[in-house]
Amino acid sequence: AQTVTQSQPEMSVQEAETVTLSCTYDTSESDYYLFWYKQPPSRQMILVIRQEAYKQQNATENRFSVNFQKAAKSFSLKISDSQLGDAAMYFCAYRTGRGNNDMRFGAGTRLTVKP
Amino acid sequence: NAGVTQTPKFRILKIGQSMTLQCTQDMNHNYMYWYRQDPGMGLKLIYYSVGAGITDKGEVPNGYNVSRSTTEDFPLRLELAAPSQTSVYFCASKGWRNTEAFFGQGTRLTVV
Repeated sequence: AQTVTQSQPEMSVQEAETVTLSCTYDTSESDYYLFWYKQPPSRQMILVIRQEAYKQQNATENRFSVNFQKAAKSFSLKISDSQLGDAAMYFCAYRTGRGNNDMRFGAGTRLTVKP
Repeated sequence: NAGVTQTPKFRILKIGQSMTLQCTQDMNHNYMYWYRQDPGMGLKLIYYSVGAGITDKGEVPNGYNVSRSTTEDFPLRLELAAPSQTSVYFCASKGWRNTEAFFGQGTRLTVV
């Protein structure tokens, strides 16, 4: 079964600086997708960024970018120019490309942004 | 566009009571999922459905039941509620062509 590991329960960053959140996963599949979701205190699950495994180029979305290392099964999230509104729980998730398409989630990293 | 709607947002149940968490989506998605999120943890899959009339168990199905009579609705039934079912429940849906799933706002359930 696929597993997702986030080894940093908590991280903090100074406003305007850069922070990297780590994620590793375990799979024997070649067709899959990876995601970072943000969960603010409102509980809403908000998609931050996605990466298709077949794409070698790392995904970017404005201040958010990923470092996707397929051979190492690593998928880290970099947040540049951190803002107070970035403070939240961040979940790394894996989705298989076949079958029921369900997602497996890591335990999450709580990000604090200091003014 | 409402997306994925869950009701209720909050509920307190007594041990042994039953209830149904409602989930409906208006995006004509074929895949629907129920997850639970325990404090400080990620989401775990309870049940899923790949289309109307088709449901299957996820990682943690014990104590729950689901049905999928229409494309839009995917209710989650709790029978004989137990304190271990205290959690936040998320419903999600995904269409054939979507890469990611879309989530409802969650239901916080407390069993006392």
